Amino acid sequence: QVQLQESGPGLVKPSQTLSLTCTVSGDSIINGNHHWNWIRQPIGKGLEWIGRIYVSGSTTYNPSLESRVTMSVDTSKNHVSLRLTSVTAADTAVYYCARDPVRGLDVWGQGTTVTVSS
Amino acid sequence: DIQMTQSPSTLSASVGDRVTITCRASQSINRWLAWYQHKPGKAPQLLMYEASTLESGVPSRFSGRGSGTEFTLTIDSVQPDDFATYYCQNYNPYSPWMFGQGTKLEI
Repeated sequence: QVQLQESGPGLVKPSQTLSLTCTVSGDSIINGNHHWNWIRQPIGKGLEWIGRIYVSGSTTYNPSLESRVTMSVDTSKNHVSLRLTSVTAADTAVYYCARDPVRGLDVWGQGTTVTVSS
Repeated sequence: DIQMTQSPSTLSASVGDRVTITCRASQSINRWLAWYQHKPGKAPQLLMYEASTLESGVPSRFSGRGSGTEFTLTIDSVQPDDFATYYCQNYNPYSPWMFGQGTKLEI
């Protein structure tokens, strides 16, 4: 059974960098069968796609976040990472990672809440 | 960028009703359209992909139609477990993705 688990600090100060990791179990990133995505949901709002990464390191980002987002992949640890710089309160959200077999997002992590506050 | 617009934003229904949610893309996305169900405190669940293909394990009362710019998700005979928020998503592999703003199905 494929499982994704997000991890990282639950509290980040304004202007600092948010860093999250998504650890994959039951599937191998290096197989190259999927893209790996980050999605977030601010409290009381809808889902927002952040971006996706392939095992090669190729990325596509949401244009509205592109200047602040970096995704990376570590095949030795079978995980993908998200960095979001210069955060503000508007970046407070539940952050999800999800697998994409080019037919939508079929497996999601449980999500992790990140609060931006001093 | 391709924008996705869902309607209505809120839908009131009773158990047994047939309901339809519409999703429009700002330009053609062929059939690169997925639907998700999202309940509070849980991860979203993929219901449908390629506009009309049911994900494994999803009840057959869910159906999808459309191509190009206009798509619909229909639930025949709404069940208590169906009350949730539904999102469409463009997953065209050649462009950034976008979710619709969501449709909350409530009693």
